[in-house]
Amino acid sequence: NAGVTQTPKFQVLKTGQSMTLQCAQDMNHNSMYWYRQDPGMGLRLIYYSASEGTTDKGEVPNGYNVSRLNKREFSLRLESAAPSQTSVYFCASSTGRAANYGYTFGSGTRLTVV
Amino acid sequence: GNSVTQMEGPVTLSEEAFLTINCTYTATGYPSLFWYVQYPGEGLQLLLKATKADDKGSNKGFEATYRKETTSFHLEKGSVQVSDSAVYFCALSGNSGYSTLTFGKGTMLLVSP
Repeated sequence: NAGVTQTPKFQVLKTGQSMTLQCAQDMNHNSMYWYRQDPGMGLRLIYYSASEGTTDKGEVPNGYNVSRLNKREFSLRLESAAPSQTSVYFCASSTGRAANYGYTFGSGTRLTVV
Repeated sequence: GNSVTQMEGPVTLSEEAFLTINCTYTATGYPSLFWYVQYPGEGLQLLLKATKADDKGSNKGFEATYRKETTSFHLEKGSVQVSDSAVYFCALSGNSGYSTLTFGKGTMLLVSP
């Protein structure tokens, strides 16, 4: 019973490098989300996908792109990493009505950009 | 827009002490309210929720009551354990249309033996 799986768990990038964070869920959830967590800032929404085939910007989308590959998978791409993108990234999923059920979170990807 | 304000931490308690973590919110309409817990090195886990005014959410000895008149959802536990040491996040979701979760900044709880 995996839930939400994120890869990799840790990554170090040099400024200007690109990478893709992977997320997959096995709960048949419609909606998926990417958040970043920074000290003193809580969790801030980067992008979300309300359903397969749709994506929307959240609070802090600049410097990121996303792809909803299918119902299970939602990836986050950094095209040209910057030190300001050093953070812990969390993927989450929900049945679509967050108000009723909340989210299920992955265990996170800790990214350092040097 | 929606927002959540939590008391700043860390909150430091001795084992078996009473815990209160304050949470207030700003939202239009009648949001649903949540508490999440994050243990060191892990993702967030749903602790409890309340979907309408005066509802009480409870789980693992933790409780929170949805108070619309004071726009609050304070987390309480009568007797904390060392294993409760974690970061606690208050969050809300609107109930009209499609709404995402808005989180507070989190409150770290440290419980000593």
